[in-house]
Amino acid sequence: EAQVTQNPRYLITVTGKKLTVTCSQNMNHEYMSWYRQDPGLGLRQIYYSMNVEVTDKGDVPEGYKVSRKEKRNFPLILESPSPNQTSLYFCASSSLGAGSNIQYFGAGTRLSVL
Amino acid sequence: DAKTTQPNSMESNEEEPVHLPCNHSTISGTDYIHWYRQLPSQGPEYVIHGLTSNVNNRMASLAIAEDRKSSTLILHRATLRDAAVYYCILRDGFSSNTGKLIFGQGTTLQVKP
Repeated sequence: EAQVTQNPRYLITVTGKKLTVTCSQNMNHEYMSWYRQDPGLGLRQIYYSMNVEVTDKGDVPEGYKVSRKEKRNFPLILESPSPNQTSLYFCASSSLGAGSNIQYFGAGTRLSVL
Repeated sequence: DAKTTQPNSMESNEEEPVHLPCNHSTISGTDYIHWYRQLPSQGPEYVIHGLTSNVNNRMASLAIAEDRKSSTLILHRATLRDAAVYYCILRDGFSSNTGKLIFGQGTTLQVKP
């Protein structure tokens, strides 16, 4: 079954404690992306990757890092989380190319930074 | 990216058809019209997409106006499970450099039993 898997689903942490949210896809997709969703602001792109070792900033990259060492994995790293990073995070993947490509989303990670 | 306009909310009765409208008057010739939905406590999921012609799949139908300035997502028989936020999104077919989907506020669909 085609899947994008995020872990953990829920996470409560404290300010400054480094954390990583993992994302894995089993569809051999070149493209992967992270979004955050906040009330009233909708979904906004944080970082994206067109392929292994190729990453770029989205609209709201401050305070986040990503890596793409393998095609299937795209972890989101918060080196020093702050309360304004409390949000619902989604990972997505798709094949590359024309605008008809479908994006598949993970179930989400709800992060609270105290 | 061209912008879309959708009603904030709509209501439907279970087992009845639902027509969800979307206006995109500034659509360009290479923009695909995509629909995604987000069920409560879940990630967005793809529903349907089209370029110029009407499209059908197992989930829904997409009716695209002849001038492409508007489209309608049709759920033929709404079920309680269809209660979700529905997003109408335009994607340029030739410059998906960031692959980003621009989610607006969408339409919150309530389905009454």
